[in-house]
Amino acid sequence: GEDVEQSLFLSVREGDSSVINCTYTDSSSTYLYWYKQEPGAGLQLLTYIFSNMDMKQDQRLTVLLNKKDKHLSLRIADTQTGDSAIYFCAETSSGNTPLVFGKGTRLSVIA
Amino acid sequence: DSGVTQTPKHLITATGQRVTLRCSPRSGDLSVYWYQQSLDQGLQFLIQYYNGEERAKGNILERFSAQQFPDLHSELNLSSLELGDSALYFCASSVKASGAYEQYFGPGTRLTVT
Repeated sequence: GEDVEQSLFLSVREGDSSVINCTYTDSSSTYLYWYKQEPGAGLQLLTYIFSNMDMKQDQRLTVLLNKKDKHLSLRIADTQTGDSAIYFCAETSSGNTPLVFGKGTRLSVIA
Repeated sequence: DSGVTQTPKHLITATGQRVTLRCSPRSGDLSVYWYQQSLDQGLQFLIQYYNGEERAKGNILERFSAQQFPDLHSELNLSSLELGDSALYFCASSVKASGAYEQYFGPGTRLTVT
């Protein structure tokens, strides 16, 4: 079945860039998403990218997609302490269908 | 605030009991998804409803059931509860925007089975 892998932890200094990586196995993945979960809260949709795109930029967030390697990354520029959270990568092969999530990457921002 | 509401926020109950979790999707969203988040399994899809009909089923146990009502709110029923059912249960609703479906999650219901 489909599988989405992420590294579990990332620690960065405030003001640096963070890069969170994700790999997926389903070659038919069409939509790839990034969600943020703060302690005790639900999942907040940050951004997403279509499989026919290589890059998407949204303010401090840049998503890069390497479809050949099935690799997705989320870059957060000028990381702030408020960015400390768990970031989930998710994919789906078509539109209004369930998401397959990675286990999440816990980002710690050191002041 | 995603616009998806879930009640209750916390639920503590004993093994063998039955509980009902409630979800109201964002206004106008016809799809409702249920996900379970646990430490060992991560986020797992349980079931999806679209406009009152079951659309997709994931790793949902037979002890669990769900439905979506005419006003589009949904309920997830968990019965014969076991310790391992302790988890965060999320509901999400989806809308098509800019060519993709965006799933918006509620704040979750934390279930503790003792």
